[in-house]
Amino acid sequence: QITLKESGPTLVKPTQTLTLTCTFSGFSLSTSGVGVGWIRQPPGKALEWLALIYWDDDKRYSPSLKSRLTITKDTSKNQVVLTMTNMDPVDTATYYCAHAEVNWLLDYWGQGTLVTVSS
Amino acid sequence: NFMLTQPHSVSESPGKTVTISCTGSSGSIASNYVQWYQQRPGSAPTTVIYEDNQRPSGVPDRFSGSIDSSSNSASLTISGLKTEDEADYYCQSYDSSNHYVVFGGGTKLTVL
Repeated sequence: QITLKESGPTLVKPTQTLTLTCTFSGFSLSTSGVGVGWIRQPPGKALEWLALIYWDDDKRYSPSLKSRLTITKDTSKNQVVLTMTNMDPVDTATYYCAHAEVNWLLDYWGQGTLVTVSS
Repeated sequence: NFMLTQPHSVSESPGKTVTISCTGSSGSIASNYVQWYQQRPGSAPTTVIYEDNQRPSGVPDRFSGSIDSSSNSASLTISGLKTEDEADYYCQSYDSSNHYVVFGGGTKLTVL
């Protein structure tokens, strides 16, 4: 079965760079049509899509955050890494990674990891 | 930028039917698939509808999705409401002009 798990720091300071890793199993990012996306959710607020990478290394970013985000994949390790620069307290959120289909469906989600930005 | 607008909250009684709307800000919502996710407190979202009106296995047929091109909106309808349906519901689609995924602002469903 498909599983995903996010890992990374739980606390970062303002202006620092956040690096999150999504480690998955049950599928391969070398399979045509498959992708992994990142989504975040501030406490008590709505889901916000961040980025997505596909099997062919096609990458998509949220227009409002594009300058701060980088998404990469390591197919051999079954991992996808998201970096977000210049973190701010408003970036405090639960960060999720999810398996994506070519129709933009995010059909399997990790449990999420809460990242707090505070000095 | 393309946006999806949902009502902030809806409420209905058990056994009744509720419809949650998701309105596109521009273009045609029918141009790209709409998915619907259910999120219970403290949990990750799960898919209840994909590709406008398809149900994943395990999702009861009380959940249905539709597209109305005349109002440029998608709808999630839940019939025979149960208390377990109480959750936040998010619609999601794609901006094919600018190539990014869009979520609606979410709707809190209360079943009382």
